[in-house]
Amino acid sequence: DQQVKQNSPSLSVQEGRISILNCDYTNSMFDYFLWYKKYPAEGPTFLISISSIKDKNEDGRFTVFLNKSAKHLSLHIVPSQPGDSAVYFCAASEAGTASKLTFGTGTRLQVTL
Amino acid sequence: KAGVTQTPRYLIKTRGQQVTLSCSPISGHRSVSWYQQTPGQGLQFLFEYFSETQRNKGNFPGRFSGRQFSNSRSEMNVSTLELGDSALYLCASTLNPTGSGNTIYFGEGSWLTVV
Repeated sequence: DQQVKQNSPSLSVQEGRISILNCDYTNSMFDYFLWYKKYPAEGPTFLISISSIKDKNEDGRFTVFLNKSAKHLSLHIVPSQPGDSAVYFCAASEAGTASKLTFGTGTRLQVTL
Repeated sequence: KAGVTQTPRYLIKTRGQQVTLSCSPISGHRSVSWYQQTPGQGLQFLFEYFSETQRNKGNFPGRFSGRQFSNSRSEMNVSTLELGDSALYLCASTLNPTGSGNTIYFGEGSWLTVV
């Protein structure tokens, strides 16, 4: 049972444009959501997170939006840069179990010149 | 401030052998968790240790085990290795796993190949 889904395996965006990565979840007990960036054979790097009590969180070029009623979150990267090319994972955890993350399957973002 | 440190980074083992992987969390972090990444199953939670006690466990066979020491450093062990155990094993740490809104920071991983 895939509780966190990233339905787009890949996304290609031109440099300078907006990248929008999507994530859906089914477990209503999730209360904290995170986005990670990952290169092959390396550990995930934390990008940005959002608590279920918020609907938006911004950090520089990265903004995460949460729609609890739709059980949907998205990561916006503006403007996209070639260095953003990587695999992006969304992850979620339940209250009191911050270390037990459930990950999506990842979206490979390619930022082209 | 040093990040999560994992050793070794790469290793090759033979089927039937056992392996021990080591992890040092970020200074001050008392919770350590382990994840497995494979092409077929993605990133999956193995187990979590806090104050030397296992708090949570994922859906993995008993061949996968771990422990945490008093200095918060952790080890995971896989016994009777199978080809399917070939994966990137990731260690992560966080300050307080019992609250909400705590970010999990990952190490670079240990890449295990079973031949």
